[in-house]
Amino acid sequence: GNSVTQMEGPVTLSEEAFLTINCTYTATGYPSLFWYVQYPGEGLQLLLKATKADDKGSNKGFEATYRKETTSFHLEKGSVQVSDSAVYFCALSVTGSARQLTFGSGTQLTVLP
Amino acid sequence: ETGVTQTPRHLVMGMTNKKSLKCEQHLGHNAMYWYKQSAKKPLELMFVYNFKEQTENNSVPSRFSPECPNSSHLFLHLHTLQPEDSALYLCASSRKGQPDGYTFGSGTRLTVV
Repeated sequence: GNSVTQMEGPVTLSEEAFLTINCTYTATGYPSLFWYVQYPGEGLQLLLKATKADDKGSNKGFEATYRKETTSFHLEKGSVQVSDSAVYFCALSVTGSARQLTFGSGTQLTVLP
Repeated sequence: ETGVTQTPRHLVMGMTNKKSLKCEQHLGHNAMYWYKQSAKKPLELMFVYNFKEQTENNSVPSRFSPECPNSSHLFLHLHTLQPEDSALYLCASSRKGQPDGYTFGSGTRLTVV
């Protein structure tokens, strides 16, 4: 089956620190990969995506590269801000099936001023 | 506003009450989903509708009853809930077969007393 494993949180960083949130996956087909972000009191928002190997998704200073050889899609940001405090979810979907998203368990990020 | 609207945003109900959650999208999507998000737990997929037909029910108790009258609207009817059903209920929509992820609503925060 399909599964996503994220590093456990919570993660606490100081403003301007470097962020990495690890994500690895297993999939029966050829997946598309996503990062979603959930700000307090809100639903999930798509942050970035990659649909094939070696693609790099990027948005708002966040980046993640689809690594087929290591089945990973780690989220990075060079300099975090207090406003980046949120829960981050890694997810995958496999086209051709019911195409449902499979989510990781989420990683809580808190950025301190 | 994400394009997926959920109402109400907050709901407090007694265990003997009957209430309904509503989800609406006008994005031209043809698949809709209900998720449950409880504190300290991964996102739980509850129901999936493709082209108004329910294609998945993940062993959800019968006190939760979904309804999808058309591809733009999705309801979750609630009756005789338990306190452990208190959670954030998220609706999402997508275009079936397209690897572009889901659009989520902001959720309904449900408290069962």
